[in-house]
Amino acid sequence: EVQLVESGGGLVQPGESLRLSCAASGFTLSDYNFNWVRQAPGKGLEWVSFITTTGTIYYADSVKGRFTISRDNARNSLYLQMNSLRDEDTAVYYCGRGTAVSHWGQGTLVTVSS
Amino acid sequence: DIQMTQSPSSLSASVGDRVTITCRASQGINNYLAWFQQKPGKAPKSLIFVASSLQSGVPSRFSGSGSGTEFTLTIASLQPEDFATYYCQQYNSSPFTFGPGTRVDIK
Repeated sequence: EVQLVESGGGLVQPGESLRLSCAASGFTLSDYNFNWVRQAPGKGLEWVSFITTTGTIYYADSVKGRFTISRDNARNSLYLQMNSLRDEDTAVYYCGRGTAVSHWGQGTLVTVSS
Repeated sequence: DIQMTQSPSSLSASVGDRVTITCRASQGINNYLAWFQQKPGKAPKSLIFVASSLQSGVPSRFSGSGSGTEFTLTIASLQPEDFATYYCQQYNSSPFTFGPGTRVDIK
């Protein structure tokens, strides 16, 4: 069974950093592209970042220069390093498998507040 | 950047109704269009990719169509478990933008 489990969310102050992880099981991570998508409270889905099997990476303008997506195929894990966090980064963050996401994790909540 | 719009923003329907949601892209997206369903407090569920292909396990009452810049999601006969918010997303070019969503609730 395909499973994606996000972790690493929490409450941080503006300007601080967090590293989200997405642990994959039931398939080989290296075979797939991945997305990070977020959802602010009461809002719609917002695409954040994308990484291909060969390491091509894209970011939304709202996070470019602050967030870094990476993958560790040996550990079957995807990551999102988030620096210089802002109030507007408060959201549930989801990882998704595939360019057109076919499987989603359950999400991890990031709250940025002073 | 490609802008995605959806209409209507919300609709009320009854069990058994046929429901159609429209998604428009600001430019051509080569049919790289996905549809997702989301219920409150839950992760999205993937329904359709490349505009008309059903994800594994998705009931056949869901269908997608369209090309160019206009796409539709149709639910042939609405079931109680289908009341949710539906999003389209283009993945033709970065940023992979989502539509604002269409809420489907009970009439």
